[in-house]
Amino acid sequence: DAGITQSPRHKVTETGTPVTLRCHQTENHRYMYWYRQDPGHGLRLIHYSYGVKDTDKGEVSDGYSVSRSKTEDFLLTLESATSSQTSVYFCAISESETRDTGELFFGEGSRLTVL
Amino acid sequence: AQKITQTQPGMFVQEKEAVTLDCTYDTSDPSYGLFWYKQPSSGEMIFLIYQGSYDQQNATEGRYSLNFQKARKSANLVISASQLGDSAMYFCAMRERFFGNEKLTFGTGTRLTIIP
Repeated sequence: DAGITQSPRHKVTETGTPVTLRCHQTENHRYMYWYRQDPGHGLRLIHYSYGVKDTDKGEVSDGYSVSRSKTEDFLLTLESATSSQTSVYFCAISESETRDTGELFFGEGSRLTVL
Repeated sequence: AQKITQTQPGMFVQEKEAVTLDCTYDTSDPSYGLFWYKQPSSGEMIFLIYQGSYDQQNATEGRYSLNFQKARKSANLVISASQLGDSAMYFCAMRERFFGNEKLTFGTGTRLTIIP
């Protein structure tokens, strides 16, 4: 199994406060992703990274920023949280360097509530 | 246009029956991949099956098979002999590769309930 952990797993915060979610992998894989999951929308890509300091936007990137200063860590930051960012956030990694299928392996998710 | 479309928000199926979950996709990438994931009520995302766009045969993994119809751009998941433990959300996803990068796009999911 891919070694991928997310922290925190649960967080409640207030509107306007900054929030950072951390994704850590032990597998040294190149690709890392942040998705959010909301009822009726499935999983939507926020940002992804294809290497250290190489990141790009997904379909719902407004209000989010990311950083990847080390291969193993991919941080998602909400600069000023809003209630619309209440969601479950999933980090994922891809083994596509070694497996042609390129399926994603997911962390356990981080449930964020913005009051 | 939606890249991945799952038209069945919910399905109820009798235990031991086969079930087909629909998925259609849209892409101009000639080399793409199609995936199905299962999300039980506990929340984790479980990879089920993969089909490459150049694969000649439909993918199978145990009770799961993927009915790949390339010309129709459909990738339906078939679960044979359904079990109570199959009750979950099921997501179809498509991998596209571009400029050396890749990303997966997910559908909105189908909630499958198996009735005893």
